[in-house]
Amino acid sequence: SAVISQKPSRDICQRGTSLTIQCQVDSQVTMMFWYRQQPGQSLTLIATANQGSEATYESGFVIDKFPISRPNLTFSTLTVSNMSPEDSSIYLCSVVPGGYEQYFGPGTRLTVT
Amino acid sequence: SQQGEEDPQALSIQEGENATMNCSYKTSINNLQWYRQNSGRGLVHLILIRSNEREKHSGRLRVTLDTSKKSSSLLITASRAADTASYFCASSYNTDKLIFGTGTRLQVFP
Repeated sequence: SAVISQKPSRDICQRGTSLTIQCQVDSQVTMMFWYRQQPGQSLTLIATANQGSEATYESGFVIDKFPISRPNLTFSTLTVSNMSPEDSSIYLCSVVPGGYEQYFGPGTRLTVT
Repeated sequence: SQQGEEDPQALSIQEGENATMNCSYKTSINNLQWYRQNSGRGLVHLILIRSNEREKHSGRLRVTLDTSKKSSSLLITASRAADTASYFCASSYNTDKLIFGTGTRLQVFP
């Protein structure tokens, strides 16, 4: 398994601002994933972050809105830019430390007012 | 939508009863994983079943996989109030990217 931490755990932000979410893993991993969970909904993959290369975004998500950094094999950030109330969600990072099992961080609960 | 379907959407049972949740997916998979989420917090990994497996057990959990029907089920036996949570299946195709089901909200009454 893996121990994953996220900061902040929650935040309330004003529309038009940006928030950067950090994800730290206790072991080196090749890929890190960012998911969004809108209120009352399931999870949707935003992007896959590889160290040393640009993130790969899923359909419906763009780099200008959700820029991602992956400076090393244990850390990644996701920025939610120019926020609107529709961005209010839980944002989760995940990793596959070995094998196939994917483990998730505790999530960042974002409310945009 | 690529999302898998789960049913029921919500399930209420008494402590000691069994709870069964079903998941359907859309194309051939490498594996399928089940997760639990308490009150909008992070996801707890419960069990992974590979495409060449038909059944897997972990404690009070039993997962089955029917690749011909593109479906899986999660059985929780002798449920407890602490099992109250949302349960999600997530399927993996040819990468580690997961496609989640719609989820089942389980309420276990003491």
